[in-house]
Amino acid sequence: GAVVSQHPSWVICKSGTSVKIECRSLDFQATTMFWYRQFPKQSLMLMATSNEGSKATYEQGVEKDKFLINHASLTLSTLTVTSAHPEDSSFYICSAPGGGSQPQHFGDGTRLSIL
Amino acid sequence: GENVEQHPSTLSVQEGDSAVIKCTYSDSASNYFPWYKQELGKRPQLIIDIRSNVGEKKDQRIAVTLNKTAKHFSLHITETQPEDSAVYFCAATPSSNTGKLIFGQGTTLQVKP
Repeated sequence: GAVVSQHPSWVICKSGTSVKIECRSLDFQATTMFWYRQFPKQSLMLMATSNEGSKATYEQGVEKDKFLINHASLTLSTLTVTSAHPEDSSFYICSAPGGGSQPQHFGDGTRLSIL
Repeated sequence: GENVEQHPSTLSVQEGDSAVIKCTYSDSASNYFPWYKQELGKRPQLIIDIRSNVGEKKDQRIAVTLNKTAKHFSLHITETQPEDSAVYFCAATPSSNTGKLIFGQGTTLQVKP
């Protein structure tokens, strides 16, 4: 079935570092992908919709200059957390619509820890 | 925009009992309502979903009901087992986009042996 690969699965880095997270659709094409953030013991919050070949659409309150999204091909979307700070520490997870019995396919998520 | 409210936040039941989790949504044009089970540190796993043209759907011990008029939907788990213990999320797809999901706050279900 459709699979979404996300990596890295875990990142620990110093404050001020920029971190890039990749989300790939392995056996299907995705013109849109979605990025969510989940703080401990909280729900998944939609951050933005990644659109292939055009600008991402950000949800209200999400800083587009802080969370850079690039969707340069039909199988790859990247989220870059720029100048990360401890408050950016969270679980980031992507998804892509793949049709079939599961309209959304989630990646395994990336746990980001900023020291 | 769409807003999804989920209750209760925690639910503890004895093994074999039923569990019910309820969600309400605000966008009357929402048309897709999935339920996810998430274990700690893992991706959400789809357990059942329902579309707005259906009132009820069942899959073995799991069922979902949808009341479009009242804009609420519920997850029912019968004959609960300890392995059902996890965090459950409801979600809705707003009318503006058929892909993105707006999640409820989550329910931590504990099934006591």
